[in-house]
Amino acid sequence: NAGVTQTPKFRVLKTGQSMTLLCAQDMNHEYMYWYRQDPGMGLRLIHYSVGEGTTAKGEVPDGYNVSRLKKQNFLLGLESAAPSQTSVYFCASAFSGSGANVLTFGAGSRLTVL
Amino acid sequence: AQSVTQLGSHVSVSEGALVLLRCNYSSSVPPYLFWYVQYPNQGLQLLLKYTSAATLVKGINGFEAEFKKSETSFHLTKPSAHMSDAAEYFCAVRGGSNYKLTFGKGTLLTVNP
Repeated sequence: NAGVTQTPKFRVLKTGQSMTLLCAQDMNHEYMYWYRQDPGMGLRLIHYSVGEGTTAKGEVPDGYNVSRLKKQNFLLGLESAAPSQTSVYFCASAFSGSGANVLTFGAGSRLTVL
Repeated sequence: AQSVTQLGSHVSVSEGALVLLRCNYSSSVPPYLFWYVQYPNQGLQLLLKYTSAATLVKGINGFEAEFKKSETSFHLTKPSAHMSDAAEYFCAVRGGSNYKLTFGKGTLLTVNP
């Protein structure tokens, strides 16, 4: 079972470059999330989606954009990367309804912005 | 808004000793509470969850947590630590909506031989 797959796993960018992180889940989950993890900060929600074609801002959305064109995919974009966006990014997904909050996480994508 | 405070960013115990990781929450509505574990270079995995049924919740790998409304706490315990328990542990509370979780800053557990 693949679960939640994130690509790429590692990436180094220069300031100002753009990139997209891809998250794919094969569990038919309605909800998908992007978090960033920084030392001493825990996980902070960037954006989330409650269904195909819908997205919403989380706690730290500035500098990021997302799209959910297909139910199984959730893309996180950085239009102009900044060193402050150096972080480990985690995608997660969940069913709606009573099981909504049991998140299944991907393995993470480590991004370094120079 | 909901929030979670994990007391102690780093806890060190000896193998075989009691593990106690502290979590206090703030919520304007009855909360749903969770503990997740993250092993090195991996994503987070659900350890256990409280959903207003029993106040004492048992999870995987011998961990359990007790919901105490009067103390707004949801501390994680394990009677006897094992080397394989070394990881970072996150407490989380369901937010005001039905689909967002707010995480604490995490507690790194070190188990010494």
